Amino acid sequence: DTGVSQDPRHKITKRGQNVTFRCDPISEHNRLYWYRQTLGQGPEFLTYFQNEAQLEKSRLLSDRFSAERPKGSFSTLEIQRTEQGDSAMYLCASSHRDGNEKLFFGSGTQLSVL
Amino acid sequence: GENVEQHPSTLSVQEGDSAVIKCTYSDSASNYFPWYKQELGKRPQLIIDIRSNVGEKKDQRIAVTLNKTAKHFSLHITETQPEDSAVYFCAATNDYKLSFGAGTTVTVRA
Repeated sequence: DTGVSQDPRHKITKRGQNVTFRCDPISEHNRLYWYRQTLGQGPEFLTYFQNEAQLEKSRLLSDRFSAERPKGSFSTLEIQRTEQGDSAMYLCASSHRDGNEKLFFGSGTQLSVL
Repeated sequence: GENVEQHPSTLSVQEGDSAVIKCTYSDSASNYFPWYKQELGKRPQLIIDIRSNVGEKKDQRIAVTLNKTAKHFSLHITETQPEDSAVYFCAATNDYKLSFGAGTTVTVRA
C-alpha cells in the first residue's frame, strides 16, 4: 500500500501520560495535514506543513500538542499530559503541490485516554 | 472561517433507489468542494470533487452539483448498492484547509 500510513492504529493511555503518533505521507506529496475526528463529526483541521515548515496551527491545538516534520517527509504529533478530552481519531493526510489539490487520508490513530 | 452544514444526518434508502446529500457553505471565496466516503473503521476516501468553475460533475453512479449563488452543493448516488452504505462527508475550502460537514450515515437496505 503506497498510501498515507499512520502508526500506531490504536493507542490506549492513562490521563497525564505523553503520546506520540507518526505519519508517513505519500512520497511525492509536499503538503501534510493533521486532523482530529470525534464520533459523529467530520474531521477538524489541526495543523499543516508544507515541506518541513509548519505553516498553520488551529486554535484547537493547545500548548500540549506539538507537531514536527523534520525533514519534510514523515511527521509526528505529540500530546503531552493527555486528558480524557483528547480521546479521538487523529488523521493524517497529504497532498501534492500548491493549491486545492486532493487530500489523501491515512487510516488514523485512535487514541483512548483513560 | 468556513462553516459547512450537511443534511440529512442519516439516510436510509432501498437498494436501487437514489440518495441525495446536501451541503451549504458560508465562505463565498470557497472554490473546491470534495466528497469523502468513510466506511466503519477505515480512512476517509475521496470519491468525487468539484471546483467552482464547474456546475456539475459525474462519475459513474455518483454526481455532484454546485450552486455558487446559493452556496450549496449536493451529492447524488443513483442505483444504490449495499456497498454504498457508509458515512459521507462534504467539505469546502478556498486554500489548503478543508472544512468538513458533520457527515451523513447512508444505509442501503437490501
